[in-house]
Amino acid sequence: DAKTTQPPSMDCAEGRAANLPCNHSTISGNEYVYWYRQIHSQGPQYIIHGLKNNETNEMASLIITEDRKSSTLILPHATLRDTAVYYCIVRANSGGSNYKLTFGKGTLLTVNP
Amino acid sequence: DAGVIQSPRHEVTEMGQEVTLRCKPISGHDYLFWYRQTMMRGLELLIYFNNNVPIDDSGMPEDRFSAKMPNASFSTLKIQPSEPRDSAVYFCASSSWQGAPEAFFGQGTRLTVV
Repeated sequence: DAKTTQPPSMDCAEGRAANLPCNHSTISGNEYVYWYRQIHSQGPQYIIHGLKNNETNEMASLIITEDRKSSTLILPHATLRDTAVYYCIVRANSGGSNYKLTFGKGTLLTVNP
Repeated sequence: DAGVIQSPRHEVTEMGQEVTLRCKPISGHDYLFWYRQTMMRGLELLIYFNNNVPIDDSGMPEDRFSAKMPNASFSTLKIQPSEPRDSAVYFCASSSWQGAPEAFFGQGTRLTVV
């Protein structure tokens, strides 16, 4: 079972920031928060991950609360090509049998012109 | 690197036939994952390998499904006999926890069993 909770859908206007929330209240100390997205008819694509500090890369920013029970993925300037299902996943980075990547239902983000 | 390569991209077969899906992971990656995606159940992890050894096959639906990884550059997912309810998109992914932790997915194989 997925260990995260996400809203099923969200809308965002093109050019505006998209803020996608995720709850992971049972996250363990050694588990990271990962975000992937899946554009229609394609395989999932990695976006970003973090442990407890906020992270930023060329695609997005990840804000993790101090208690690590929730996080927010931020797409600073959403474009129509960002329309996709976004998955929030928690996973240990220790390798071996704890390395499985389990997807939930995700959030369908629709970016409107 | 060309990324994770899956073949075929589309497969249509008749109920009862054997189906073999193939995956070539990214060179140097030591983890390989097989997923199945349907509208009803979403993305399900079927099985994953570490250094060619199956680590967790608890997601394999039943004995009709089997997966092998004879070497580091090739894996197969076989369904025998196939049934209409096996119709789905099957994804393969690979990753290496010692390097970049993200998993890279192939384009998937769309299987239709009629």
